[in-house]
Amino acid sequence: SQTIHQWPATLVQPVGSPLSLECTVEGTSNPNLYWYRQAAGRGLQLLFYSVGIGQISSEVPQNLSASRPQDRQFILSSKKLLLSDSGFYLCAWSVVLAEVNEQFFGPGTRLTVL
Amino acid sequence: SQQGEEDPQALSIQEGENATMNCSYKTSINNLQWYRQNSGRGLVHLILIRSNEREKHSGRLRVTLDTSKKSSSLLITASRAADTASYFCAAANQAGTALIFGKGTTLSVSS
Repeated sequence: SQTIHQWPATLVQPVGSPLSLECTVEGTSNPNLYWYRQAAGRGLQLLFYSVGIGQISSEVPQNLSASRPQDRQFILSSKKLLLSDSGFYLCAWSVVLAEVNEQFFGPGTRLTVL
Repeated sequence: SQQGEEDPQALSIQEGENATMNCSYKTSINNLQWYRQNSGRGLVHLILIRSNEREKHSGRLRVTLDTSKKSSSLLITASRAADTASYFCAAANQAGTALIFGKGTTLSVSS
């Protein structure tokens, strides 16, 4: 069966520090991968998605970047965090089909920038 | 930009009552999906309805889709306290490569 892991679960970082959040998927090959951010009490904002190794699409301009160094690994990074980067970060994967289908979410990382 | 918009933003009901949440979207879709999120957790997929379907059932869930009005509704019948969560609708972006989620409806079911 497929499993998605995210770590760390919580993170408190000072403004200006770097960030690296990791997401890995097990039990599937060549998944589509996604990073979302959720502000407190708000909906999900799609940040990045990837349809293959090294292929990253960004939905919104921001202080963050993403990389996919391996088929089932998706990394969210920042060189210098801003206060506005605080939020709940969710990684998700889906099977590659002709149409966008069900997404499976990880447990999330709660990031607080102070 | 937002593809799905749910209403109401918040809904409080008693156990045993039905809960109805609505979603409107902007562009043509292949399918529309509903997800549930317990506080501080990841989202869980509930149901997917295709553009050529008008209604779909899964247990106590009933989803309708009206493509002419670009709207969908999620009905939870005989609600339970465990149904307390946020519910999101999601539809594909214009490129058809990713899901865009609404802001969600927060449902509180009290016993």
